[in-house]
Amino acid sequence: KQEVTQIPAALSVPEGENLVLNCSFTDSAIYNLQWFRQDPGKGLTSLLLIQSSQREQTSGRLNASLDKSSGRSTLYIAASQPGDSATYLCAVTQGQGFSFIFGKGTRLLVKP
Amino acid sequence: EAGVVQSPRYKIIEKKQPVAFWCNPISGHNTLYWYLQNLGQGPELLIRYENEEAVDDSQLPKDRFSAERLKGVDSTLKIQPAELGDSAVYLCASSLDVSSYNEQFFGPGTRLTVL
Repeated sequence: KQEVTQIPAALSVPEGENLVLNCSFTDSAIYNLQWFRQDPGKGLTSLLLIQSSQREQTSGRLNASLDKSSGRSTLYIAASQPGDSATYLCAVTQGQGFSFIFGKGTRLLVKP
Repeated sequence: EAGVVQSPRYKIIEKKQPVAFWCNPISGHNTLYWYLQNLGQGPELLIRYENEEAVDDSQLPKDRFSAERLKGVDSTLKIQPAELGDSAVYLCASSLDVSSYNEQFFGPGTRLTVL
């Protein structure tokens, strides 16, 4: 059974710092991996989707990498801002006919 | 383009009462998901639809939960009767098809409080 773990559970950094959020999964046979952002009391906003054949995806200050063989993905946030404060979740799916499995998320606080 | 729409945003009911949530996915999206999210946890799938067909409902507590997606567009999730432990956020998401690699788009959720 696929399990997704996110470390750390919470992170507090000063504004301007570069940071890395980690996501690991137990079954490396994934179809894709998606990173989301969730603000308090809100739904999830899609940040990046990495297909199984890809190694990374970039959007603005965000870069997500995928290493299937080791069952890991990282989300890199450059030059963090207070507006980046949110919970970041990763989810994997093992195929077109499979559903997503989510991690519990990392709560990020960027202090001004 | 409008995103995934959910209503109501908040619902407070007493235990043993029925409750229903409604979801309108992004236009043209064939796949619709209902998730349950408890505080401090990631979303957990309740049911997934491909058009009108429920293709994964293995995690849906069928003794009290039911769902439908008539005409393959809007969907309704119902709980009857509600229990205290059902208090959570119910999220709806949709995705297009194989060409989009199942990228999911979420609605704002319905926060349910059962008293």
